[in-house]
Amino acid sequence: DGGITQSPKYLFRKEGQNVTLSCEQNLNHDAMYWYRQDPGQGLRLIYYSQIVNDFQKGDIAEGYSVSREKKESFPLTVTSAQKNPTAFYLCASSIVTEANEKLFFGSGTQLSVL
Amino acid sequence: AQTVTQSQPEMSVQEAETVTLSCTYDTSESDYYLFWYKQPPSRQMILVIRQEAYKQQNATENRFSVNFQKAAKSFSLKISDSQLGDAAMYFCAYSGYNFNKFYFGSGTKLNVKP
Repeated sequence: DGGITQSPKYLFRKEGQNVTLSCEQNLNHDAMYWYRQDPGQGLRLIYYSQIVNDFQKGDIAEGYSVSREKKESFPLTVTSAQKNPTAFYLCASSIVTEANEKLFFGSGTQLSVL
Repeated sequence: AQTVTQSQPEMSVQEAETVTLSCTYDTSESDYYLFWYKQPPSRQMILVIRQEAYKQQNATENRFSVNFQKAAKSFSLKISDSQLGDAAMYFCAYSGYNFNKFYFGSGTKLNVKP
């Protein structure tokens, strides 16, 4: 079945450590996104990518980095510069056409600081 | 930038009753898409309903329907015959007609009482 796979489900980061969250999709979607969700809050956009080898900053990109070397993969690195990384991270994808379809979401990664 | 506002942080409804969740948005575009997403305790984001702004007819999906008021920039979700499984966070979202970021509201937590 087609879908988006995020791993790991839970991740713990030590002080000063960089960690990478994986996101893979087999939906053949061009666009991929990373959102951050804090408790009781909505989704805030970290980065998004419309095509391979290209990506743009969202509203809260500081302390994060991404790459888009393959159409199906869009990993997110939470760097040590992100001082408050504890949150739920959601990866999503969509078809890029004149008519935006909808966002397909992965099951998320909960990142916590040790 | 587009903004999406959900003014009801939490609501409660009796099982089998009807409830309406509110959403307003701000945009200068004439063509766009609006969405309601459901996030149950599993935290998996699920699309509930989608509305194209150029369509005057309100979208419906089984027990879920919307009241789309384009001039007022209002997009409310009505859930009829509420069921225990409807208990979740509900997020309103906006996307431009051409490829654009998806903007989310802060969410409304819906409680369903047996």
